[in-house]
Amino acid sequence: DSGVTQTPKHLITATGQRVTLRCSPRSGDLSVYWYQQSLDQGLQFLIQYYNGEERAKGNILERFSAQQFPDLHSELNLSSLELGDSALYFCASSETPGLAGTGELFFGEGSRLTVL
Amino acid sequence: GENVEQHPSTLSVQEGDSAVIKCTYSDSASNYFPWYKQELGKGPQLIIDIRSNVGEKKDQRIAVTLNKTAKHFSLHITETQPEDSAVYFCAALMFSGGYNKLIFGAGTRLAVHP
Repeated sequence: DSGVTQTPKHLITATGQRVTLRCSPRSGDLSVYWYQQSLDQGLQFLIQYYNGEERAKGNILERFSAQQFPDLHSELNLSSLELGDSALYFCASSETPGLAGTGELFFGEGSRLTVL
Repeated sequence: GENVEQHPSTLSVQEGDSAVIKCTYSDSASNYFPWYKQELGKGPQLIIDIRSNVGEKKDQRIAVTLNKTAKHFSLHITETQPEDSAVYFCAALMFSGGYNKLIFGAGTRLAVHP
């Protein structure tokens, strides 16, 4: 158990809809990262937050947004969903904002989104 | 650009054999290279990492080598066991847009057959 909790584990929805994925980082970790893993694809970096502030952006679509709350949990919002958004979405946390320390990311078990 | 290439995409070995996975990266300034293992239904988990000030690091049956000149690094698993079967991801820490980002390779699906 990595200590990172993601909900829901599975989500099935229709095209055009909006969903919210939630992540609770490990106790004490201030940084939260979101990654997308499509079928047989690697981990695509979406966005990073540190202590409530956006820190780095990757290949995140404009239809997607995220935030980190004062209690450090994070939410990834996916809107106007398309078939191609079907994927496994991982949240990870780390102690340091820029991976300057050990660099280890602790991943949750992911939220599997299926868009029909 | 930010890119990490990983080969092979699939690897099948017999139990007891060695397995080697290779990665190349694009940013010569990268200085941190972790390897993650993803078991079925789980999130990736760090198994070993290496920093640019060393050329090789070993932890029991796994080792990682780094060639900074050629911008490539490799994971070596010796005496493979069925429980080594998983997807392995290499990654490189890259500085882009003012921030450090951990960029992952596409993954290698390793199957160890008894």
